[in-house]
Amino acid sequence: QKEVEQDPGPLSVPEGAIVSLNCTYSNSAFQYFMWYRQYSRKGPELLMYTYSSGNKEDGRFTAQVDKSSKYISLFIRDSQPSDSATYLCAMSDSGGSNYKLTFGKGTLLTVNP
Amino acid sequence: DAMVIQNPRYQVTQFGKPVTLSCSQTLNHNVMYWYQQKSSQAPKLLFHYYDKDFNNEADTPDNFQSRRPNTSFCFLDIRSPGLGDAAMYLCATSRDQGQPQHFGDGTRLSIL
Repeated sequence: QKEVEQDPGPLSVPEGAIVSLNCTYSNSAFQYFMWYRQYSRKGPELLMYTYSSGNKEDGRFTAQVDKSSKYISLFIRDSQPSDSATYLCAMSDSGGSNYKLTFGKGTLLTVNP
Repeated sequence: DAMVIQNPRYQVTQFGKPVTLSCSQTLNHNVMYWYQQKSSQAPKLLFHYYDKDFNNEADTPDNFQSRRPNTSFCFLDIRSPGLGDAAMYLCATSRDQGQPQHFGDGTRLSIL
């Protein structure tokens, strides 16, 4: 079993839809959870950064972490064509290897006008 | 804007010919990272510097080396590139270990 599992998609939605992106993980030591957005031929851009369980909202984006289920989600409200990108989840622990991000493989999202 | 800048954006080299990729940052972050990302795959950490301390990942090939002459700059040297080293190379920085990492736009390396 991989440490982080993420459905690669592709996911195609109409403009204005609510998008749900998810990752599951197996390492219970993970404490920090991130979502990155990566446009084609660009580097990953940090969207959300959360610690432990709970929700965090930033504009149209909401990140949820459920540590009991080892499951994290990113919701995008009122999706726009400019949201079309690959979304990567990433996580790290709080111990000696806290520098190391473990990424999912990414979900390719297309928002159609 | 403070940022992580990678040069060049695209690099073509010949099989076995050494190549150097560069990264600079204006964020004044302590930690700098190098990742390799192949098509449709997650970024893979090669190594990182915490200030001047170099930390190599166990599975990083010896062919890959790095230098950090000062806080702002970090270099990735590939001594003898093979066809399997064709990838996007990403530089990232963070204020401290365990803090959010901020990425540059990468250098896409092609091997002829």
